[in-house]
Amino acid sequence: EVQLVESGGGLVQPGGSLRLSCAASGFTFSSFEMNWVRQAPGKGLEWVSYISSSGATKYYAASVKGRFTISRDNAKNSLFLQMNSLRVEDTALYYCARELTAGAFDFWGQGTMVTVSS
Amino acid sequence: QSVLIQPPSASGTPGQRVTISCSGGRSNIGSNAVTWYQQLPGTAPELLIFSNNQRPSGVPDRFSGSKSGTSASLAISGLQSEDEADYYCAAWDDSLSGVVFGGGTKLTVL
Repeated sequence: EVQLVESGGGLVQPGGSLRLSCAASGFTFSSFEMNWVRQAPGKGLEWVSYISSSGATKYYAASVKGRFTISRDNAKNSLFLQMNSLRVEDTALYYCARELTAGAFDFWGQGTMVTVSS
Repeated sequence: QSVLIQPPSASGTPGQRVTISCSGGRSNIGSNAVTWYQQLPGTAPELLIFSNNQRPSGVPDRFSGSKSGTSASLAISGLQSEDEADYYCAAWDDSLSGVVFGGGTKLTVL
């Protein structure tokens, strides 16, 4: 059974940093592209970042480029999102998602909540 | 303002057919496949339609997707109470080098 379990969320002050993790199981993690998608409270879905199966290719939404860094450890079946210079508008539930085809995510985690507030 | 435009709400009665539209541009829907997600209250999104009109295993054939030019539609036939959810369209955008989502449509089953 495919499972994605996010962790690392919490309350942080503006300008602070957090590192999110996503533990994958039930599939060959190293064969799949992965993404982070976020959802602010009461709002819609916003794609955040993509990483290729090898980790060589990465893409970011304009809203996070230069502040967030996606990475993965295929030996540990883990996906990461390093978030720096956090802003109030980064407050959201962050999901990791497995990519089936471009833009199509077939498995999602339950999400980890990030709250940026002073 | 989302790159892909969806109506904020839709509604129907049990058994009815409902369609939800998704409008984009040449760099996203016009060039790439469209995906639809269903998000039930308090849960993570679930893949409903991929590659414009393909259903993952387990998705009832009451759900169908179509695309024409820079627009796409999700159709739900034989509407059921459990279909009450938020629905999102998405596509890769060549200009932005990223995935763009619609703002979501809240479907109410009357």
